[in-house]
Amino acid sequence: GESVGLHLPTLSVQEGDNSIINCAYSNSASDYFIWYKQESGKGPQFIIDIRSNMDKRQGQRVTVLLNKTVKHLSLQIAATQPGDSAVYFCAENTNDYKLSFGAGTTVTVRA
Amino acid sequence: SQTIHQWPATLVQPVGSPLSLECTVEGTSNPNLYWYRQAAGRGLQLLFYSVGIGQISSEVPQNLSASRPQDRQFILSSKKLLLSDSGFYLCAVIVVLEAFFGQGTRLTVV
Repeated sequence: GESVGLHLPTLSVQEGDNSIINCAYSNSASDYFIWYKQESGKGPQFIIDIRSNMDKRQGQRVTVLLNKTVKHLSLQIAATQPGDSAVYFCAENTNDYKLSFGAGTTVTVRA
Repeated sequence: SQTIHQWPATLVQPVGSPLSLECTVEGTSNPNLYWYRQAAGRGLQLLFYSVGIGQISSEVPQNLSASRPQDRQFILSSKKLLLSDSGFYLCAVIVVLEAFFGQGTRLTVV
């Protein structure tokens, strides 16, 4: 993921619009990627994952896109709701034991 | 599914005091256990991970240490806290590459 330690970028979205959250990863050998959602004061929670042999995966209101050529991952949230306000992290599997997390993006949904 | 118990939820400690944060896990046996730190407004930094009892790997040099005295117990410690140790500490277990997190401990060193 992006270098840990950077200040989190932010995304402000109108309720009902679609959100796109981007993540660049660094390790071309990473074969598994996950998006997490972290609400204030809580631990991160799993949203959706994708393996490197896929370029798109859809869940309920969420879609993850993987572009291995440019090492880019994105999370799309359809019809963003107030409950989607949170910090979103991408994570990459860098070896058998570790998940490396990106710096995260703070999403704020405007009513 | 995994359940991670982490306590305390919040902690205010003076500089120079010791620290002990405990994490216990319910679910699969011999889990891979992790301590992450999240500074205010920043991402998750991996501090330690353990693939078995007594096996600790440190990711970054720091003022903290970790121990795993039992299969499902992971402890984060410090002998003397620094102001820079303030942050949100998360215990996690990773099973088949999916991470499950505890609710975190917010540590404020004053």
